[in-house]
Amino acid sequence: ELKVEQNPLFLSMQEGKNYTIYCNYSTTSDRLYWYRQDPGKSLESLFVLLSNGAVKQEGRLMASLDTKARLSTLHITAAVHDLSATYFCAVGDDKIIFGKGTRLHILP
Amino acid sequence: GAVVSQHPSWVICKSGTSVKIECRSLDFQATTMFWYRQFPKQSLMLMATSNEGSKATYEQGVEKDKFLINHASLTLSTLTVTSAHPEDSSFYICSASRDSDQPQHFGDGTRLSIL
Repeated sequence: ELKVEQNPLFLSMQEGKNYTIYCNYSTTSDRLYWYRQDPGKSLESLFVLLSNGAVKQEGRLMASLDTKARLSTLHITAAVHDLSATYFCAVGDDKIIFGKGTRLHILP
Repeated sequence: GAVVSQHPSWVICKSGTSVKIECRSLDFQATTMFWYRQFPKQSLMLMATSNEGSKATYEQGVEKDKFLINHASLTLSTLTVTSAHPEDSSFYICSASRDSDQPQHFGDGTRLSIL
């Protein structure tokens, strides 16, 4: 059974700081997604990572994938308040399984 | 591109009512769509995979007779919550992708409240 574990589940941080969210998964599926969800809203696709060593960056967010370690990271650089949201990683091919999400709260 | 529309966005109804939720891919064809359920402050739980022209594939623990899924065309899937009860209150989200190498794009979700 595919398991997707995110760490931490809750993160409160100051603006301007850097931090990393970790996503471990238990299957050989190497297709990994990062999504953002704002309160009361649906999901917004951030990154799709398809191969070992893949790194993608968009603004202050950078995602990477290590398929050998079955680990993906979402790195936040110089956080700003607008990045406050819940971030989900998800793994799978046709059917994807979500982690529990990381609630990120960035203090001004 | 890759817009998924979900309707309605909010439903409040009495216990015992059946509620239909529509999920449409507006600018692409989707052989497969997915239905998720999300409780407050929790993750998304996959309920079923909707396949165009065939029966849906339900996840373990999801009642097929309770949550009826129909995927009548390449752009439309519907989820009907039959004889809804308060415990069915939740945020229901559908998704679809152009193909298996593309991310799933999510509808805006339907917040269902059963009184």
